[in-house]
Amino acid sequence: QKEVEQDPGPLSVPEGAIVSLNCTYSNSAFQYFMWYRQYSRKGPELLMYTYSSGNKEDGRFTAQVDKSSKYISLFIRDSQPSDSATYLCAMSVQGGNNRKLIWGLGTSLAVNP
Amino acid sequence: DVKVTQSSRYLVKRTGEKVFLECVQDMDHENMFWYRQDPGLGLRLIYFSYDVKMKEKGDIPEGYSVSREKKERFSLILESASTNQTSMYLCASRYRAEAFFGQGTRLTVV
Repeated sequence: QKEVEQDPGPLSVPEGAIVSLNCTYSNSAFQYFMWYRQYSRKGPELLMYTYSSGNKEDGRFTAQVDKSSKYISLFIRDSQPSDSATYLCAMSVQGGNNRKLIWGLGTSLAVNP
Repeated sequence: DVKVTQSSRYLVKRTGEKVFLECVQDMDHENMFWYRQDPGLGLRLIYFSYDVKMKEKGDIPEGYSVSREKKERFSLILESASTNQTSMYLCASRYRAEAFFGQGTRLTVV
């Protein structure tokens, strides 16, 4: 079993829809949770960053962490065609050798006009 | 803004060639990483470095080496390129838990 599981999709939604992207994980020591967005033929860029549990909101994007269920989510409200990309989750433990990020495989999202 | 620059966007090399991929970051980050990204396999860590002249193997180091002579520069070396090393190569630097990526180098080995 992989440490981080992410459904690769593809996910196709109409413009304006609410999108829910999810990752599950097995390592209860993870404390840092990140979402990256990657456009085709580009490097990933950090979208949201959450430490420990709870919610974080940034414009149309909301990140949620449920440590009891080992489950993280990214919600996109009022989705736009420009949101079409691959979304990767990443996680890390705290302290010590926290230099390695553990990655999901990424979910491909298409938002149709 | 953090900037991570990879020397080439696209490269085509022949089997057996020695290949150098260069990466430079401008934010004085201690940690730097090399990944490769393949469809269905996601991001896989090749090597990382947490200080000048320090390196550690990642999950798939075979066939690769690295060099970090200066803090801002981290080079990936393919000792003898093979067709199964055709891939997208991504360099990243990291501050705490946040990683910042370059644009990637699409390497094709023929």
